[in-house]
Amino acid sequence: AQSVTQPDIHITVSEGASLELRCNYSYGATPYLFWYVQSPGQGLQLLLKYFSGDTLVQGIKGFEAEFKRSQSSFNLRKPSVHWSDAAEYFCAVLPRNSGNTPLVFGKGTRLSVIA
Amino acid sequence: DVKVTQSSRYLVKRTGEKVFLECVQDMDHENMFWYRQDPGLGLRLIYFSYDVKMKEKGDIPEGYSVSREKKERFSLILESASTNQTSMYLCASSDGLGVVEKLFFGSGTQLSVL
Repeated sequence: AQSVTQPDIHITVSEGASLELRCNYSYGATPYLFWYVQSPGQGLQLLLKYFSGDTLVQGIKGFEAEFKRSQSSFNLRKPSVHWSDAAEYFCAVLPRNSGNTPLVFGKGTRLSVIA
Repeated sequence: DVKVTQSSRYLVKRTGEKVFLECVQDMDHENMFWYRQDPGLGLRLIYFSYDVKMKEKGDIPEGYSVSREKKERFSLILESASTNQTSMYLCASSDGLGVVEKLFFGSGTQLSVL
């Protein structure tokens, strides 16, 4: 079955430490891939997206993500986490050639940042 | 900046009431969406619309209906609210050009049904 999975429900990192949030998908063809962030009390905001080409994608707020076809993954990374990065992060996919199918979201990973 | 405005941040209703959640976007977007967000379940699509007076069911439409009489406004209706509809409701919009790549979200309405 087609799906997008975020294996980690909650992650805690120290401020200044590196971060990697995992996202795996299960689709016949590589879908379009997205990461969104939801800060407390806010709606979601697009961090970055991958359609094709360079497998390392740069986004806003110092985030990047790497597409790995062999692992069906699109993991989000940040070299040094700031306290303001505490939020919920959602991976999302859009199947290619799907017409007007809306985005499919993963269940999210909540990030806590400690001093 | 695109603005998606949801009429209420918090709403408390009683079981059996008819509830209207309103969403307005100011960027002439073609597409509008309603999601509900629950802990551990992420975002689940309730209904969406790609044009005025057009609607499509999402993954969990049961107990909900929608109305899109004007392009900028997309209303979610709970015909008879139930306690299992207590949730955070998020509205989103996007333009209709090519791949739906960027959704703009409202801040959400936290609905409690007592």
